[in-house]
Amino acid sequence: EVQLVESGGGLVQPGGFLKLSCAGSGFAFAGYWIHWVRQAPGQGLVWMSQVSPDGHTATYADSVRGRITVSRDTAKNTVSLEVNSLSAEDSAVYYCARGYQWGWDYWGQGILVTVSS
Amino acid sequence: QSALSQPPSVSGSPGQTVTISCTGTSSDIGSSHSVSWYQQPPGTVPKLMLYEFSIRPSGVPDRFSGSKSGNTASLTISGLQAEDEADYYCSSHTTSGTYVFGTGTKVTVL
Repeated sequence: EVQLVESGGGLVQPGGFLKLSCAGSGFAFAGYWIHWVRQAPGQGLVWMSQVSPDGHTATYADSVRGRITVSRDTAKNTVSLEVNSLSAEDSAVYYCARGYQWGWDYWGQGILVTVSS
Repeated sequence: QSALSQPPSVSGSPGQTVTISCTGTSSDIGSSHSVSWYQQPPGTVPKLMLYEFSIRPSGVPDRFSGSKSGNTASLTISGLQAEDEADYYCSSHTTSGTYVFGTGTKVTVL
């Protein structure tokens, strides 16, 4: 069974730093682009970033470029998302998703991040 | 990159047909390899319903169909059922190598 599991969310301080992880199992993780998508409470989906199968190429949305970094540990089948200079606008459920035919066929359950003092 | 434009809501009675539009630009839908569509009932994870404009993944009913014309893609649900009530999002790859989602459409079954 294909699974993607996010971890590392919770309550973080404004101006702080966040690191989320996405662990994949049940498929050839090393063969897929992995993406991050977030959804603020009651709002729509927003694409954030993708990382290539070999981890050498990362692409970022204009809205977050410069504040986020995506990396990949091919040995551990994990992808990490780091976000700095957090503000309330970064409060959201963060999903990792498997790239498929210019879309996403499997999604993690999502992890909630709340930015508040 | 601005979000693709979708109507906030559409509704229909069971058995009817509804269509959701997704309007972008020549930098996304107009030049994209693929537009995909996602269904998200409240409190759930998005589910892929269509990719490459009109291809259904295994398990998606053939009541769901898609098309593209110019800078606009469309999702049509034929024979609307109560279980189709959800938010629907389109998404497109862009010429800058990023992706963009639509604003989302709430489908209500009357």
